[in-house]
Amino acid sequence: DTAVSQTPKYLVTQMGNDKSIKCEQNLGHDTMYWYKQDSKKFLKIMFSYNNKELIINETVPNRFSPKSPDKAHLNLHINSLELGDSAVYFCASSNRGATEAFFGQGTRLTVV
Amino acid sequence: GDSVTQMEGPVTLSEEAFLTINCTYTATGYPSLFWYVQYPGEGLQLLLKATKADDKGSNKGFEATYRKETTSFHLEKGSVQVSDSAVYFCALDNTDKLIFGTGTRLQVFP
Repeated sequence: DTAVSQTPKYLVTQMGNDKSIKCEQNLGHDTMYWYKQDSKKFLKIMFSYNNKELIINETVPNRFSPKSPDKAHLNLHINSLELGDSAVYFCASSNRGATEAFFGQGTRLTVV
Repeated sequence: GDSVTQMEGPVTLSEEAFLTINCTYTATGYPSLFWYVQYPGEGLQLLLKATKADDKGSNKGFEATYRKETTSFHLEKGSVQVSDSAVYFCALDNTDKLIFGTGTRLQVFP
C-alpha cells in the first residue's frame, strides 16, 4: 500500500543509452513532480504535471521527457544518457494548492 | 527568485543535546514553509510545516516557528536521539513547487 512508488530503485547503465523511470501514486493527488538530487544532496525540481498537463519545466535538457498517461502516473524517459545525469531522482505527488508533497523512495541512476 | 538558505553541516551532537538548524528564506508573497527529513537510503518525509507567519510546526519533538520579520524557520529539538541522525531539508512552497535548501546532515552519537 505504498503511497508513491518508483521503479527501479537502482539503475546502472552506459553512456548513450536510453532509460525510463516509472512513478505511480495511489493517493488520489492531481499533481506529480520529478526532483533531481545530486551528489551533494541538493534537490531541484525538474517537472510538474497537474491532471496530466505539464505545468513546470525547469530548464531541463530536451533529453529528459516526462510522460503522464493518467494523473496517477508520471514516468521519466531519458535519452542519450550522460555521466552528469548520475543522481537520485525522486517522484512526488500532492494536490495542487495543498501544503504537503509525498515523495517516493528515489531511483539512484548511475551512468558509467 | 525564491530561495532557501540553511546552515552547512554536518552537525555533530551527543545524545540528549539541544539541536538548532538555521534556515532563512527569500520569497515574494507568503510562502508555506517546511522541514523535510531524509533518513539514510530513504526518500524525503515531511517533518513539520507552517503556512503563515507566527505559526509553529511541531512533530516528534521537533519545532520550528515561521518568523516573517526575520524570514526564518529554524528547526529545534530539545534532546536529540541517535535515531534522529539524517539529512534535514528546509523548503518553501510559493508557486506550486517546493524549493529546497542544500540540506544539513545531523549526526548524533551515543
